[in-house]
Amino acid sequence: QQQVKQSPQSLIVQKGGISIINCAYENTAFDYFPWYQQFPGKGPALLIAIRPDVSEKKEGRFTISFNKSAKQFSLHIMDSQPGDSATYFCAQHKQGAQKLVFGQGTRLTINP
Amino acid sequence: DGGITQSPKYLFRKEGQNVTLSCEQNLNHDAMYWYRQDPGQGLRLIYYSQIVNDFQKGDIAEGYSVSREKKESFPLTVTSAQKNPTAFYLCASSVTGSLNIQYFGAGTRLSVL
Repeated sequence: QQQVKQSPQSLIVQKGGISIINCAYENTAFDYFPWYQQFPGKGPALLIAIRPDVSEKKEGRFTISFNKSAKQFSLHIMDSQPGDSATYFCAQHKQGAQKLVFGQGTRLTINP
Repeated sequence: DGGITQSPKYLFRKEGQNVTLSCEQNLNHDAMYWYRQDPGQGLRLIYYSQIVNDFQKGDIAEGYSVSREKKESFPLTVTSAQKNPTAFYLCASSVTGSLNIQYFGAGTRLSVL
């Protein structure tokens, strides 16, 4: 089974700080790396995604950085806000497959 | 509103009982998925279906069964063979194609009485 190793498991950041969540993957036959955000009691929702031919993608305060040689990709949340407190999942899509492989999740808490 | 509806929100199972979780989507998506979520273990794929009347086992299919008789519906049955069914169950759907952007329902929390 392909795996995505996500770290840290939990993260506490002060309001206004930068939150950084990392994911490492094992196989290079992946063509799409999405991040999902999940609030308690709700289903995950797509936050931002990147293809491996791009090193960085920014949408508002959220940025994905992709390092193909290190097989790693990271989510950066700038100016973190209490409303960002949620669980974040990275995922990877294998070319030709019709499913995603998810990381274990990171529970992010932003202290006011 | 387009979306994915899961019901019920909460469900309780007695020992030896089969229970069925409902998932309906009106997004006209061909593919549908069932995940199990446990604390600290992320989302684990139970079953998925790319087309009506066809489905494939995911990583943890034992003790579960599904059907896909209609494009809009993908019910999951948690059988008595599943000895540890307490979890949060999530249904998702996507279009088929080069990417796999999945849209999720609000989930069903299953507990054992």
